[in-house]
This record gives sequence, C-alpha cells and structure tokens, in this order.
Amino acid sequence: NAGVTQTPKFRVLKTGQSMTLLCAQDMNHEYMYWYRQDPGMGLRLIHYSVGEGTTAKGEVPDGYNVSRLKKQNFLLGLESAAPSQTSVYFCASSSVAGGTYEQYFGPGTRLTVT
Amino acid sequence: QKEVEQDPGPLSVPEGAIVSLNCTYSNSAFQYFMWYRQYSRKGPELLMYTYSSGNKEDGRFTAQVDKSSKYISLFIRDSQPSDSATYLCAMSAKDNFNKFYFGSGTKLNVKP
Repeated sequence: NAGVTQTPKFRVLKTGQSMTLLCAQDMNHEYMYWYRQDPGMGLRLIHYSVGEGTTAKGEVPDGYNVSRLKKQNFLLGLESAAPSQTSVYFCASSSVAGGTYEQYFGPGTRLTVT
Repeated sequence: QKEVEQDPGPLSVPEGAIVSLNCTYSNSAFQYFMWYRQYSRKGPELLMYTYSSGNKEDGRFTAQVDKSSKYISLFIRDSQPSDSATYLCAMSAKDNFNKFYFGSGTKLNVKP
C-alpha cells in the first residue's frame, strides 16, 4: 500500500495563478483532510470531507476550494494564488473503523507564491 | 487564545536523557489526545493515542492526560538521536472526533 500520496511535491506560482493539489489514498478511508503548516502555527485545517461527494470548511478555508468526486481522491484548488498562501500543504485520511480515528498524512507539498 | 498551546522549543538533550513534552488546552470537550512525530520535510506520523484521562505506555514512550488541569504530556525514556524530530500534540472532541486541533509542535534534538 502506498498510503497517502500527494502531487506535486514542490511548486512555485506567481501571484494570481491557479493550481490544483492532488491527494490520493489507497486505504479505503471515508475521511480526508487538507491542512497547511506554517512556522509557529502548527497544522491548520483548510477543508475536509466525510465521504465521496461531500466537503466542509475547516479553520482557514478562504482562498481555497476542494472537491471529492472519488472516495480515494481529494483535490485542493487555489483559484488566484496570493503570497500568504506560501506554505507546506498536507493531506490526511482517516477511518472510523477501529475507533482510533488516526489520521494518516501524506509527505506534503511545498508551495511558494511570489 | 489558541485552542492548544505547545512550547515550540527547541529542546536539546543528551542521548539517554528523559524528555518531557507538554501541551495545554482550553476546550473541556476534548476527549481524544494524540502525539504525532514529524521528521524534517516529512508528514506527521501517529506516535501515541489516548482516550480521556490516564496514562498509556508504549516502549520508551508514555503519554499522560490530566483533564482536570487540561494538560497532556509525552515522556520519552532513554532518548536516542533517532528521536530528534518535531513532536505535535493533537486533540479532538467526542461529538466532532474527526476535527483535530494541533499544537504548534516542539522541536527536539537528541545529541549523541
């Protein structure tokens, strides 16, 4: 099993450009999440999904959109990138089976907006 | 005020030392408490998980939860250079268990 994978690993954007980050998991997990990690701020939840076709806002959703058309994929979109969106983005997935609610994280995408 | 507070460190200790990492929180509804370890330029990985109050031990690692004080700790015995990483605490409430609140992380360096 590959677990949680993220594409791309690195990206540099100019202000105003758009892009989509792809997250894929092969563990048949119901829940998927997008976080951003900034120095001194820890991990902050952007959006999450509790199942195929559903999405919900997290703590810092502004400037981002998401879609979950397939259970194994969760896409994060930036329509008009801003320097404040320079960050490391992590995708995670979890399942309620087993009762531990452990979130499994991908390796991250480093995004720089100039 | 942040939901979860964690001293960012860095914390530098000699090999073999006992390490204590801590987090405080403000939301009394938190029931699930987790510690994640994150190596440089990698994603976080779950280290310990506890439900409600009490202690949990796993090898050299012990997690403690004191709900009355809203305080959780992670102890690492016989620390090794391979333990050098950033440690993140995370917690969630029973009625919204999939919404995690993370601390900012404590960077630990274990010197050989």
